[in-house]
Amino acid sequence: GQNIDQPTEMTATEGAIVQINCTYQTSGFNGLFWYQQHAGEAPTFLSYNVLDGLEEKGRFSSFLSRSKGYSYLLLKELQMKDSASYLCAVSDSNYQLIWGAGTKLIIKP
Amino acid sequence: IAGITQAPTSQILAAGRRMTLRCTQDMRHNAMYWYRQDLGLGLRLIHYSNTAGTTGKGEVPDGYSVSRANTDDFPLTLASAVPSQTSVYFCASSDSQDPDTQYFGPGTRLTVL
Repeated sequence: GQNIDQPTEMTATEGAIVQINCTYQTSGFNGLFWYQQHAGEAPTFLSYNVLDGLEEKGRFSSFLSRSKGYSYLLLKELQMKDSASYLCAVSDSNYQLIWGAGTKLIIKP
Repeated sequence: IAGITQAPTSQILAAGRRMTLRCTQDMRHNAMYWYRQDLGLGLRLIHYSNTAGTTGKGEVPDGYSVSRANTDDFPLTLASAVPSQTSVYFCASSDSQDPDTQYFGPGTRLTVL
């Protein structure tokens, strides 16, 4: 079967760094996505990885290891507005997105 | 304003009633999707359409139907609603030039009593 695992909830302090992990087992792989979803709102695209390595975009970076079926999202200089759920999704062999349940990130002052 | 719109924003529905959730995009994206999102579960694909005139079943299609008469509109119909269909429904679209990046509408919160 297809499976995406990520922690249910994480807590971090404003100004700190947090790493959200995602492991996956899917039928085929055509890329891994991270989306941000604030409570009561729609998911919005954050990052896309298809090759191994680190992709940096401002305060956010995303890493992929295809051989390990593993990715992480790194958030630096945390701000209160970063409090949200972070969704990991993998594009499978049919280019359909398989979604994790999301990680709720709580930022404390 | 370009993007995806959904209607209604929220709805309370009696079990057994028929309901159509509307979704319209003005980005001329070829592909459109319907998801449901339930607490503790990931987004689950209900139906999708790769282009106008075609539709396909996703992970959880039972009890739902869709149509894609044109590029812009992708309505989702619950023929006879049941309480287990209480959920938040998101419509999304993607461009054929970048098919994996999906853009989401604001969602419809549906409660079936």
